[in-house]
Amino acid sequence: QQPVQSPQAVILREGEDAVINCSSSKALYSVHWYRQKHGEAPVFLMILLKGGEQKGHEKISASFNEKKQQSSLYLTASQLSYSGTYFCGTLLGDTGRRALTFGSGTRLQVQP
Amino acid sequence: DTGVSQDPRHKITKRGQNVTFRCDPISEHNRLYWYRQTLGQGPEFLTYFQNEAQLEKSRLLSDRFSAERPKGSFSTLEIQRTEQGDSAMYLCASSALGFRGASSYEQYFGPGTRLTVT
Repeated sequence: QQPVQSPQAVILREGEDAVINCSSSKALYSVHWYRQKHGEAPVFLMILLKGGEQKGHEKISASFNEKKQQSSLYLTASQLSYSGTYFCGTLLGDTGRRALTFGSGTRLQVQP
Repeated sequence: DTGVSQDPRHKITKRGQNVTFRCDPISEHNRLYWYRQTLGQGPEFLTYFQNEAQLEKSRLLSDRFSAERPKGSFSTLEIQRTEQGDSAMYLCASSALGFRGASSYEQYFGPGTRLTVT
């Protein structure tokens, strides 16, 4: 049930764009995106709900394709502060579970 | 709000000893979660509470682990007879419907307790 993230790692130059994907084999109720810097707690970025509600954060946006059970996180004009590991956490649609199942993360490094 | 806090931030213990961690959630939050994270992996769910009721426990949570949330405020996670495999970062998160206008249960994490079992 663990979602699959891709790519596993990406290196960018400042100002470049990146896309991180998160896919599930099960029907999803929501997808939650977090960024974690080394030695720190995951920081909430945004949530995508079944039915299309979406929130954004700075120059970061996301989409949720219910047919494919896939979410994509878009980082535009990346900044050095975007470096870190990005995790998606998912809630399945057919259970009452309220705890997230996380992917294994995408390590993003933004270079000057 | 002051965010989710956890104590201690670091704990080194010898195998076989018992340890207890504390989590103080955001005060308006009625849901509290415990996760465990090892190096290079995403957080893994351990257990969660709604108010004082423990509603779900992961199969990862062996009988050496116990969690409480008396009075529905702070929570404690105890590990008895620690093993080297228990070494990890233990994260606490909290959430509440409608907090800051949220339409769903956005979870906010604390700084974690890093446990090292020698």
